[in-house]
Amino acid sequence: QVQLQQSGPGLLKPSQTLSLNCAISGDSVSSNSASWNWIRQSPSRGLEWLGRTYYRSKWYNDYAVSVKSRMTINPDTSKNQFSLQLNSVTPEDTAIYYCARGTDGYNYVHYWGQGTLVTVSS
Amino acid sequence: DIQMTQSPSSLSASVGDSVTITCRTSQSIKSYLNWYQQKPGKAPKLLIFAASRLQSGVPSRFSGSESGTDFTLTISSLQPEDFATYYCLQSFTTPFTFGPGTKVDIK
Repeated sequence: QVQLQQSGPGLLKPSQTLSLNCAISGDSVSSNSASWNWIRQSPSRGLEWLGRTYYRSKWYNDYAVSVKSRMTINPDTSKNQFSLQLNSVTPEDTAIYYCARGTDGYNYVHYWGQGTLVTVSS
Repeated sequence: DIQMTQSPSSLSASVGDSVTITCRTSQSIKSYLNWYQQKPGKAPKLLIFAASRLQSGVPSRFSGSESGTDFTLTISSLQPEDFATYYCLQSFTTPFTFGPGTKVDIK
C-alpha cells in the first residue's frame, strides 16, 4: 500500500519561497510505472494540477503553464521523496497543496498525501 | 490546455435516487477521463479511471461512460455516504485539468 506523507511550513509572506516535501512509502520515487504529482485546491481556482516528475530511464518533469516559471519539482532518491518549490509566492498561491502518485498508462492520480494548507499573508 | 466543463454544479437528491453527472472536454481525450469523490477535509478519492473502469473497492453502484467528448458518472442508488463533491480529471495530456466539481447534497 502506497502512503504519502507531506511536510513543510503552512504560513508564508509574499515573495517568499514555498517548499514542501512528500515522503513515499510502499513504492519508489524511481519507479518506471509511476509519476509523482503536486496538486493544489483553493475556493477560487478549484483543483489545479501543478506538475509532476517521473523516471523512465531518465528524469522528466511537466509543469502547468500558470506556475512553470516559478516552480521546481525534484526527486530525492536517497530519501525516497520528492519536493515542490514555488518561488515568489503571492496571496493567490494560498491553497491546500497535495502530493499524489500517478500511474503509468492512463496517468490517473490514485494515492494522495494528507494535504498541507499553505497561507500566504503579510 | 484542455478545458473541462461539468454539469450540474450542484444537485439535491434523496437516498435511493439515481444521479448522473456529466463532464465535457474541449477536445478529444480518448478515454483518459477519471472521476473522484471528495468529502470535506479529505483528499479526493478515485472512483472511476479510463472513463468506465471501476477502481478496486469502489461500490458497483458507481459507473462511468463516454460518448465522444462527453463523459458521465452515474450513481445508481444514492447512499448516505455518497453525499459529497465529485470531480472529473482529464489525464490525456499535460497540463492535466480538473472539472469545477458537482456538489451532491441531501434533498
